[in-house]
Amino acid sequence: AQSVTQLGSHVSVSEGALVLLRCNYSSSVPPYLFWYVQYPNQGLQLLLKYTSAATLVKGINGFEAEFKKSETSFHLTKPSAHMSDAAEYFCAVRNGGGGGNKLTFGTGTQLKVEL
Amino acid sequence: EADIYQTPRYLVIGTGKKITLECSQTMGHDKMYWYQQDPGMELHLIHYSYGVNSTEKGDLSSESTVSRIRTEHFPLTLESARPSHTSQYLCASSSPVGPTGELFFGEGSRLTVL
Repeated sequence: AQSVTQLGSHVSVSEGALVLLRCNYSSSVPPYLFWYVQYPNQGLQLLLKYTSAATLVKGINGFEAEFKKSETSFHLTKPSAHMSDAAEYFCAVRNGGGGGNKLTFGTGTQLKVEL
Repeated sequence: EADIYQTPRYLVIGTGKKITLECSQTMGHDKMYWYQQDPGMELHLIHYSYGVNSTEKGDLSSESTVSRIRTEHFPLTLESARPSHTSQYLCASSSPVGPTGELFFGEGSRLTVL
C-alpha cells in the first residue's frame, strides 16, 4: 500500500526565510509524487509533480522539490517565503500501476508566514 | 485555471434532510472523484468514477451515494444527513494522461449538519 507522511502539521517562517516542508513516502513500486497547495476557502491546486524524468522538480510560485529515493523523501522548498505563501500544503503519492489514478494524500502542513 | 465547479459552497441543514452536492467540470475528463476533508486529517477518497455509468467506492466508507449519467456531472447525495456527515467535500477530475496526470479540484462544499 502507498502512503505519505508529512512531518509537522504547522510550520511557521519569517518572510524572506527558507521554507522547508517535509514529506516521506512509502510505496512498493516507483512512485509518482505530487505537492498540492490549498489557500483558505479554496480547493487544492497542483504545485509540482515528480514523474521520474528529473529528481529536482520546479513548480509554480518559486517552489521546488527533490526526489530522494534513498531517503524515500520528497521535501518541498522555497528559498524565500512570501506572505502570499501562507496556505496548507499536501503531499500525495500515486503508484504507477494503475488503480484509477487515485492519489493518497498526507495530512497536510499549514504554513504560516510572519513579518 | 481549472474548470470544475461545486455547489453549494456552504450548506447548513438539519438532521434527517436529504442533500445533494453538485459537481460539474467542463474539461471533458472521464475520471472524477469525491474526497472528504476534515481539519488535520488526510483527504479521504470516498467515491470515484471512470466514466459515464461507472461509479466505485473509495478507500473511506461513506453513507453517501454518487451517480454519473453525464461525463461532466458527478453529484453526491446523502439521503438522510447526520451530524457525523459534517465535513468539507472536494470534487476533482483528472487529466487523461495516465498516472502522471494531475487532479483538478473544485473549491469544495462545506456541509454542516445540526
